[in-house]
Amino acid sequence: KNEVEQSPQNLTAQEGEFITINCSYSVGISALHWLQQHPGGGIVSLFMLSSGKKKHGRLIATINIQEKHSSLHITASHPRDSAVYICAVIRRNGNQFYFGTGTSLTVIP
Amino acid sequence: DAGVTQSPTHLIKTRGQQVTLRCSPKSGHDTVSWYQQALGQGPQFIFQYYEEEERQRGNFPDRFSGHQFPNYSSELNVNALLLGDSALYLCASSYLAGAKTQYFGPGTRLLVL
Repeated sequence: KNEVEQSPQNLTAQEGEFITINCSYSVGISALHWLQQHPGGGIVSLFMLSSGKKKHGRLIATINIQEKHSSLHITASHPRDSAVYICAVIRRNGNQFYFGTGTSLTVIP
Repeated sequence: DAGVTQSPTHLIKTRGQQVTLRCSPKSGHDTVSWYQQALGQGPQFIFQYYEEEERQRGNFPDRFSGHQFPNYSSELNVNALLLGDSALYLCASSYLAGAKTQYFGPGTRLLVL
């Protein structure tokens, strides 16, 4: 079983919709990352969380350490948000990433 | 300030061949991690180099080896290529091996025929 599970695997939304991507993990972690990967492969880090909530523009990330769960929200979605969103955790006492399989988001104009 | 760079961007090899992929870390970073991302999957950790030594290794066979140079750049070598080695290979750099933030390169897409 993968240490990190994401849902949904695929998501199609109309422009302007509010989007939520979920991530659950089964190990103790020191940090959780939300990453964005566009076609072609390059990965960009959106957020690093160890507690609470962070907001950057239309993106909001939350984490509940007790429930081992994190969510990434996109408000007023736009076609340029179309990408694969990956949740990755760093295990406590470690420094390697463990990745979810990603959520492929398509936002239709 | 250059970010993480990788070369080549694309590569086609045949089964049994050997391949070398290269990574230059972000300026100021001294730790390089390599990941394999198969199509439709999340990246899988291959290994991490710090101070020119392999510090951690994921569940990959010995056909996968690496090297880190004094300037912190790194190479990933894969011997006896299999069709299943076709993937995007990502390099990520960080400052100190214990850092929680890694910066990713654009990746090298390897196709094994």
